[in-house]
Amino acid sequence: DADVTQTPRNRITKTGKRIMLECSQTKGHDRMYWYRQDPGLGLRLIYYSFDVKDINKGEISDGYSVSRQAQAKFSLSLESAIPNQTALYFCATSDPVRGRDNEQFFGPGTRLTVL
Amino acid sequence: GIQVEQSPPDLILQEGANSTLRCNFSDSVNNLQWFHQNPWGQLINLFYIPSGTKQNGRLSATTVATERYSLLYISSSQTTDSGVYFCAVDPGTASKLTFGTGTRLQVTL
Repeated sequence: DADVTQTPRNRITKTGKRIMLECSQTKGHDRMYWYRQDPGLGLRLIYYSFDVKDINKGEISDGYSVSRQAQAKFSLSLESAIPNQTALYFCATSDPVRGRDNEQFFGPGTRLTVL
Repeated sequence: GIQVEQSPPDLILQEGANSTLRCNFSDSVNNLQWFHQNPWGQLINLFYIPSGTKQNGRLSATTVATERYSLLYISSSQTTDSGVYFCAVDPGTASKLTFGTGTRLQVTL
């Protein structure tokens, strides 16, 4: 069974629609992250959370919001999707206390297309 | 912010060949990870290696933190090694990974 799961795995939507991507983990990690990957590029950090009450902006947070509903759940929302948000989105977890410093473990990704 | 450069950007190998991928970074780091992104888009953890040398089967990695580079060695390559290899570093300011742009590897029969 996957330790980090993402839903949906694929989504096609239209400009202006609100979209929520969900991430769940069974690793018991405190830290969770959202990244996006554009074609031919590496991943860039959108938001990260060190615990339920701690949310931080990453490199490219404009146009996105997040919610940490529980230790195991971290959701990413696009309030009004636009075509340049078409990308592959990854959730990740880490736990410097129990794990090895900040080794991050990634979910399978959500492929989002905004028409 | 920290810069991460990977080379070569593209690599084509015949099955059975060996290769070395390089990752240079512009500042000191607390953590460094190597990932393999398979053709289906999934990111697979290969090594967590802020310093030293590690080996896992046909793959090994070395990080020389004082000189700000890391190397990933692939021996006896197989077609299943195809994909993109990413180096990602954490400068330690807030536990955030910065990714390089990757090396795209194609292994042919």
